[in-house]
Amino acid sequence: DTEVTQTPKHLVMGMTNKKSLKCEQHMGHRAMYWYKQKAKKPPELMFVYSYEKLSINESVPSRFSPECPNSSLLNLHLHALQPEDSALYLCASSQEVTANYQPQHFGDGTRLSIL
Amino acid sequence: AQSVTQLGSHVSVSEGALVLLRCNYSSSVPPYLFWYVQYPNQGLQLLLKYTTGATLVKGINGFEAEFKKSETSFHLTKPSAHMSDAAEYFCAVRQNRDDKIIFGKGTRLHILP
Repeated sequence: DTEVTQTPKHLVMGMTNKKSLKCEQHMGHRAMYWYKQKAKKPPELMFVYSYEKLSINESVPSRFSPECPNSSLLNLHLHALQPEDSALYLCASSQEVTANYQPQHFGDGTRLSIL
Repeated sequence: AQSVTQLGSHVSVSEGALVLLRCNYSSSVPPYLFWYVQYPNQGLQLLLKYTTGATLVKGINGFEAEFKKSETSFHLTKPSAHMSDAAEYFCAVRQNRDDKIIFGKGTRLHILP
């Protein structure tokens, strides 16, 4: 069992739908991350939150909208996605963004399919 | 700039044989190095990490890795492979004063019965 919980595990949506991915951790970590992972590829960083503030946006299209309501929760709001956005979306957390020696802890991801 | 190279996108070993997954890094300063494993339909799980101190690092599931600065390598080994070790393995580097992990392209480990 992972300490980072992601819901839902699977999501199928049409290109006009609006949905949200959720991530929760109770390890007291103050840095949280969203990654996108295509099949047979390493994770690609999308967003970084540090102390509930967005610190990095890796030039992600605006159809992906992150939100960090509190230190334990991270959401990714989805709207008007494209078929190429189908992927595994991973959430991760770490103690602090600047604590480079600390590893990131990953959830099991949400498998997203866009019809 | 930092980078990670994993040699071999696929590695096959027989059950009970030595596992060796290769990772070379490029970093302008002493790096922090990580190995992650990803089982099918799961997220990434930390196997082990090197920060400072002892260069031979022991991790979970019998894996270990040795940091060799002279060779800029951080190869992952396990003395005896088990069928449950079949998975994707990612080497990753994180540089001082940088808040991103850089992942290698991954190595798929196949265990032959």
